[in-house]
Amino acid sequence: AQRVTQPEKLLSVFKGAPVELKCNYSYSGSPELFWYVQYSRQRLQLLLRHISRESIKGFTADLNKGETSFHLKKPFAQEEDSAMYYCALNGVITQGGSEKLVFGKGMKLTVNP
Amino acid sequence: DTEVTQTPKHLVMGMTNKKSLKCEQHMGHRAMYWYKQKAKKPPELMFVYSYEKLSINESVPSRFSPECPNSSLLNLHLHALQPEDSALYLCASSQVGVYGYTFGSGTRLTVV
Repeated sequence: AQRVTQPEKLLSVFKGAPVELKCNYSYSGSPELFWYVQYSRQRLQLLLRHISRESIKGFTADLNKGETSFHLKKPFAQEEDSAMYYCALNGVITQGGSEKLVFGKGMKLTVNP
Repeated sequence: DTEVTQTPKHLVMGMTNKKSLKCEQHMGHRAMYWYKQKAKKPPELMFVYSYEKLSINESVPSRFSPECPNSSLLNLHLHALQPEDSALYLCASSQVGVYGYTFGSGTRLTVV
């Protein structure tokens, strides 16, 4: 089955600590993976996409095909990073044969002062 | 303009009412989406329009009826909803292909 899994629901760290938000996927073929972030009372925003290999707000994510993972990392967390983070997989085939984007269950990151 | 605009932001409707949710974007995106998000849950896909044609319907009940009148607008017509349909309804758009989605801020729907 094609799916994306975020094994942890909650992560709480202190400011300045490193963070790693885990994401694993199951997909036959070349996956297209994204990280989305939802700050409190704000809209869902694209944070990273694996094809860009970019760093946004200090976050990076590397696709590891051997471990089927796309973990999100930041070396020094800031209080403003507190939010819900969703890993998403594009290309999941629907019953009608089209492709769709599916989200993991999300992880709530809290960065304490 | 780099936003997806959804109206209204909040909607309360009775089970016999008919209402519509609206979504608009002017980024030239030719794919538009409706998602449903329950509290503390991830967004769940409902419908996808590609080049103004419905390409995905995720077995959504017929009381939800999407419409894409042109490349900038997406509507979701609601009729005879149930209380369990109360949720945040999100609209998104993207270029067709491997690109990230731009989401609107959503319409928070309450069915009473």
